[in-house]
Amino acid sequence: KAGVTQTPRYLIKTRGQQVTLSCSPISGHRSVSWYQQTPGQGLQFLFEYFSETQRNKGNFPGRFSGRQFSNSRSEMNVSTLELGDSALYLCASSPGLAGSEQYFGPGTRLTVT
Amino acid sequence: GNSVTQMEGPVTLSEEAFLTINCTYTATGYPSLFWYVQYPGEGLQLLLKATKADDKGSNKGFEATYRKETTSFHLEKGSVQVSDSAVYFCALSPMEYGNKLVFGAGTILRVKS
Repeated sequence: KAGVTQTPRYLIKTRGQQVTLSCSPISGHRSVSWYQQTPGQGLQFLFEYFSETQRNKGNFPGRFSGRQFSNSRSEMNVSTLELGDSALYLCASSPGLAGSEQYFGPGTRLTVT
Repeated sequence: GNSVTQMEGPVTLSEEAFLTINCTYTATGYPSLFWYVQYPGEGLQLLLKATKADDKGSNKGFEATYRKETTSFHLEKGSVQVSDSAVYFCALSPMEYGNKLVFGAGTILRVKS
């Protein structure tokens, strides 16, 4: 099976702009989660989508949003970018049962200038 | 709340040395526990998991046992190789939160030849 894919791999944006990141899960997986990784805060959970519904949400401002499509592909959007949003954004897919293992994509490296 | 504490690194070992990376957790209920590994420039790879007390996860020579009485999930390997150099993350998934992962800060492992 193909693994989790994320596009784009690298992105440079300016403060105030918005950005959309995409994630395609492993075939058959219905749960997609997003994480932010920074040197200062480590790995932090953003949100999880399961069958097109947000099932879980972390402690991030409303500028961070996401959605999931009927084919389980997911997008996350960050509006009004701030310098502190510079990070590696990781997507993970899972079959869906609570507590099951998650498989990560390579990430999208976002740099905000 | 839910949290994971890992021993601070970096941990520097010679090839063929014994490895232990300590991990303790705080959680309500009975979480699933995981170890993930991240190589430079890549996403996270699932190394092993355990879903209930006394379960032992193992993969590629790495092992960890779910110890409920000490709330620990220490990672061990009998003989490390240079190729094991990476960042290791301990994580838990609280069963009541779907597939949310709570990560430790990560431990850098450097293996010298």
